[in-house]
Amino acid sequence: GAGVSQSPRYKVAKRGQDVALRCDPISGHVSLFWYQQALGQGPEFLTYFQNEAQLDKSGLPSDRFFAERPEGSVSTLKIQRTQQEDSAVYLCASSVKEGPTDTQYFGPGTRLTVL
Amino acid sequence: AQTVTQSQPEMSVQEAETVTLSCTYDTSENNYYLFWYKQPPSRQMILVIRQEAYKQQNATENRFSVNFQKAAKSFSLKISDSQLGDTAMYFCAFMEPQGAQKLVFGQGTRLTINP
Repeated sequence: GAGVSQSPRYKVAKRGQDVALRCDPISGHVSLFWYQQALGQGPEFLTYFQNEAQLDKSGLPSDRFFAERPEGSVSTLKIQRTQQEDSAVYLCASSVKEGPTDTQYFGPGTRLTVL
Repeated sequence: AQTVTQSQPEMSVQEAETVTLSCTYDTSENNYYLFWYKQPPSRQMILVIRQEAYKQQNATENRFSVNFQKAAKSFSLKISDSQLGDTAMYFCAFMEPQGAQKLVFGQGTRLTINP
């Protein structure tokens, strides 16, 4: 079956531009996570959704970052007024339901480069 | 806050050899989960193996096994009979069972299997 997909795969933005990154989770997966992976580092948690509810956004680095999942399936991570330090790979993951034994399945990521 | 440390930035072994990747973590929790994820050059993160902290028996998955030392807060991954396809970044990760079940990752170890 289809896995987690993300689009675009690559995005180049000029400093100050707004960007929107899309995540299509595995169909039926309740939980959805966003992570940020800087070059040469491990992923860092940004935010978590259970269906359409954003239950944890403690990892969002600033109020320029906003995520939504209005219908409980597709999610969009929006970054306003991008800065160079926002350059990273943004990973989306989904799992069947909320539970530590549920495997998080990752998408291929969106590589964002801010010039 | 929980932290995960991988002290080996890079490792390289010959095909068919056994290799062990190290991971230590810091937490005050008694119940938690530990994971090893593999990230091949294509960047899609894949779960390799999972360990529940309350289980004393070390998890195994085919050629992959862990050495979980709870008192020492150590969680190493052993890959037996290594194959060229094992070449990847390997991330150790920690999860609390409560809340968002977000993964806290280490910095990663780049493993190269040489023919």
